[in-house]
Amino acid sequence: AQSVTQLGSHVSVSEGALVLLRCNYSSSVPPYLFWYVQYPNQGLQLLLKYTSAATLVKGINGFEAEFKKSETSFHLTKPSAHMSDAAEYFCAVSARYALNFGKGTSLLVTP
Amino acid sequence: NAGVTQTPKFQVLKTGQSMTLQCAQDMNHNSMYWYRQDPGMGLRLIYYSASEGTTDKGEVPNGYNVSRLNKREFSLRLESAAPSQTSVYFCASRGLATNSYEQYFGPGTRLTVT
Repeated sequence: AQSVTQLGSHVSVSEGALVLLRCNYSSSVPPYLFWYVQYPNQGLQLLLKYTSAATLVKGINGFEAEFKKSETSFHLTKPSAHMSDAAEYFCAVSARYALNFGKGTSLLVTP
Repeated sequence: NAGVTQTPKFQVLKTGQSMTLQCAQDMNHNSMYWYRQDPGMGLRLIYYSASEGTTDKGEVPNGYNVSRLNKREFSLRLESAAPSQTSVYFCASRGLATNSYEQYFGPGTRLTVT
C-alpha cells in the first residue's frame, strides 16, 4: 500500500531562515506525490505536485520539493521563511482512488 | 467558480442525533471524497465516489453513510452521532485526467458531538 511518513510533527524556524519539512514515501508503483498547506480554520490548498516529469518541483509561495527515488523522499523547502508561512503542511501519495496523507507538520515561524 | 462548497460550517450535536453534511462541486469532477481530520492523525478517508452512481468505503467508514446525489453533490450522513465523531470533515473532488490525482478541498465542517 502507498503511504507517507512526515518526520517531525512540529517545526520551528526563524523568519528568514530555511524551511525544511521532511516526507518519506512507500509505494509499490511509481508514485504521484503532493504537498498541501492548511492555514488555520481553512481547507487544504495544493502547494505542489510531482507527477514523474521533473524531479525538482516548484510550487506556490516560493516552495519547492525534490523527488529522490534512491532515498524515497519528497522533502519540502523554502529558502527564506515568512511569518505568513505558519500553517500545517501535509504530504500525500496517490493511492488507487484517493490520496493517502501523512499526519502533518505544523510550521511555526518566529520573528 | 466556487470550487468545492460545504454546509454547514459548524454544527453541535447531542449523542444519538443524526445529521447530513452537504458537499457540492462546480468543476465537473467525476470523483468525490469525504475525509475526517483529527489532531495528530492527518486526514483519513471515510468514503469516496469514483464516479456518479458509485460509492466505496475508505479507511474509517463505520458510523457513516454517503449518497452521490448527482455528479455535483456528495453527502455524508451520521445516523446516530457519537462523541468519537467529533472532528473536522472535509469534502474533496478530483477530475478525470489520468495524470491528475490532485484533489480540491472544501473549507470543512467542524462537528462537535456532546
